[in-house]
Amino acid sequence: RKEVEQDPGPFNVPEGATVAFNCTYSNSASQSFFWYRQDCRKEPKLLMSVYSSGNEDGRFTAQLNRASQYISLLIRDSKLSDSATYLCVVNPLGTTDSWGKLQFGAGTQVVVTP
Amino acid sequence: EPEVTQTPSHQVTQMGQEVILRCVPISNHLYFYWYRQILGQKVEFLVSFYNNEISEKSEIFDDQFSVERPDGSNFTLKIRSTKLEDSAMYFCASSGLAGGTDTQYFGPGTRLTVL
Repeated sequence: RKEVEQDPGPFNVPEGATVAFNCTYSNSASQSFFWYRQDCRKEPKLLMSVYSSGNEDGRFTAQLNRASQYISLLIRDSKLSDSATYLCVVNPLGTTDSWGKLQFGAGTQVVVTP
Repeated sequence: EPEVTQTPSHQVTQMGQEVILRCVPISNHLYFYWYRQILGQKVEFLVSFYNNEISEKSEIFDDQFSVERPDGSNFTLKIRSTKLEDSAMYFCASSGLAGGTDTQYFGPGTRLTVL
């Protein structure tokens, strides 16, 4: 089983619509979770950290389900500028498998259309 | 806003040659990382570095790779004898605290092409 798995998409989303997607992770002892966004051939940029209680940052809402080992991201009122690849990132800090070693999913591509 | 910088943005080299990729982490950060991303694939961890020594490295980071912090600002990745399969985007990252307790910020990357 892959460490972090994501639906590659693409998710084609009309402007103004809502889109949501998940990722799953394999290491149940993982402690820190993030969503990064990556534009074509650019570096990953932190979108938001994901907390157990769920958190919201503007139009973006992230949820963590530890029991089922999945993380979700919801984007409301999609903008054209939201078109990107969204990377689910897990840091299994606290296990024997890590010291700051981020584990990346392969990304979910989102395409927002006019 | 402080940022991680990397040079060069693109490096083309012949197979078997040595390359050095350079990074300037965010100035008050203490933890440094290299990741790579082969075109069309996911970002992969290479190595983490703290207090002038390697903290952790992946299976990819074999004897051909080395890292160094030669002065108070630069952090370098050296590949001694490049192979075709080393062609990838190499990202440097830094964090202020141990990576699990603080965000890692990524530089813009160096695209390495091995011919």
